[in-house]
Amino acid sequence: GAGVSQSPSNKVTEKGKDVELRCDPISGHTALYWYRQSLGQGLEFLIYFQGNSAPDKSGLPSDRFSAERTGGSVSTLTIQRTQQEDSAVYLCASSGGLKRGSTDTQYFGPGTRLTVL
Amino acid sequence: AQSVTQLDSHVSVSEGTPVLLRCNYSSSYSPSLFWYVQHPNKGLQLLLKYTSAATLVKGINGFEAEFKKSETSFHLTKPSAHMSDAAEYFCVVSRINFGNEKLTFGTGTRLTIIP
Repeated sequence: GAGVSQSPSNKVTEKGKDVELRCDPISGHTALYWYRQSLGQGLEFLIYFQGNSAPDKSGLPSDRFSAERTGGSVSTLTIQRTQQEDSAVYLCASSGGLKRGSTDTQYFGPGTRLTVL
Repeated sequence: AQSVTQLDSHVSVSEGTPVLLRCNYSSSYSPSLFWYVQHPNKGLQLLLKYTSAATLVKGINGFEAEFKKSETSFHLTKPSAHMSDAAEYFCVVSRINFGNEKLTFGTGTRLTIIP
């Protein structure tokens, strides 16, 4: 029933390789978020999907980062040509989507720990 | 623009004594405020949230927080600490009723419980 799930839980890769991280949101949730948690940077917003609207990519740190959300459900975060500074825990969250006059709670997945050697 | 300042990076209390984790916020809009907890190697869990209803918000596990607009604060409290409360706590702000509810996190407060 679940909550938000993410895979893999851990990923070790070599510098320069591409990686894909997957997020399965809570069923029926229209909003999906990616965040990054790293030492020295805390938790930072990366990208946001809401329904069929164009995603807000304002938090992506470089053009090596991209994300897509297929069918309004599963999302994949792709990091190309990984660098050591990309090492972090990548968190996905989903929420029910905005209702006028309310704020939806974001529910977080367990994260993917990425280590770039 | 919005931001959150958690005034203590680390707090230690004895089991059974009160907990106070401090948070100040800055927002150009009416804020929504949250406290999340992260246990070691676990995901973030929502403790409580404030969204312009009652200023005193009760959450899970006996935690509560009070929104004080005049002080721009949203401190987290618990009357009696338990060993299981040891974790990292994040104060978070977002904007009410806008098209992007991205969260802005504080830097976190690590709570240690002394037996």
